[in-house]
Amino acid sequence: EAEVAQSPRYKITEKSQAVAFWCDPISGHATLYWYRQILGQGPELLVQFQDESVVDDSQLPKDRFSAERLKGVDSTLKIQPAELGDSAMYLCASRDPGQGYEQYFGPGTRLTVT
Amino acid sequence: KNQVEQSPQSLIILEGKNCTLQCNYTVSPFSNLRWYKQDTGRGPVSLTIMTFSENTKSNGRYTATLDADTKQSSLHITASQLSDSASYICVVSRQGAQKLVFGQGTRLTINP
Repeated sequence: EAEVAQSPRYKITEKSQAVAFWCDPISGHATLYWYRQILGQGPELLVQFQDESVVDDSQLPKDRFSAERLKGVDSTLKIQPAELGDSAMYLCASRDPGQGYEQYFGPGTRLTVT
Repeated sequence: KNQVEQSPQSLIILEGKNCTLQCNYTVSPFSNLRWYKQDTGRGPVSLTIMTFSENTKSNGRYTATLDADTKQSSLHITASQLSDSASYICVVSRQGAQKLVFGQGTRLTINP
């Protein structure tokens, strides 16, 4: 069964350092989402792509966060510089708009900023 | 404001017992409601999706109900197993909007 892949699974970094996360969606899924989930809370949408275009990045802290999906397939989320408050789970999800509502989530990247 | 509220925040039950989790929402206009199961350190996995016209849907030992008039949903787990220990997240989608509104989740612990 096809799955959303994410790497790394865990990342520890010092504040002010740069960090990057990678996501490979299910093949053929045109829509890709990045979410941030703070412990004990539901996921919060950071950015949504349709193919290579950003559809919604209204909740993305653009002074330090950036996201790209250059070829409309895999995607990278970057934080520079990282802050203590960025410690969270970063989830990637993908969806095939022609196949209904379902979003499929990856296993996530657990970020700890020290 | 579009919100999803879940209760209880956490729940501990003994293996084999049943339990019911609640979800109230103010999202409008309503499109669909989903329940996700999220194991610790993992991404959410979909259990059920219900549209306006559906008022109950089952997935094995999980049964979700939806009352679109009162804007309430519940997730009932029958004959709980240790593997049911997880967070359960209620998610609502608005018509015409791709952004999902997530609840904060209910943390369920099944004790032997």
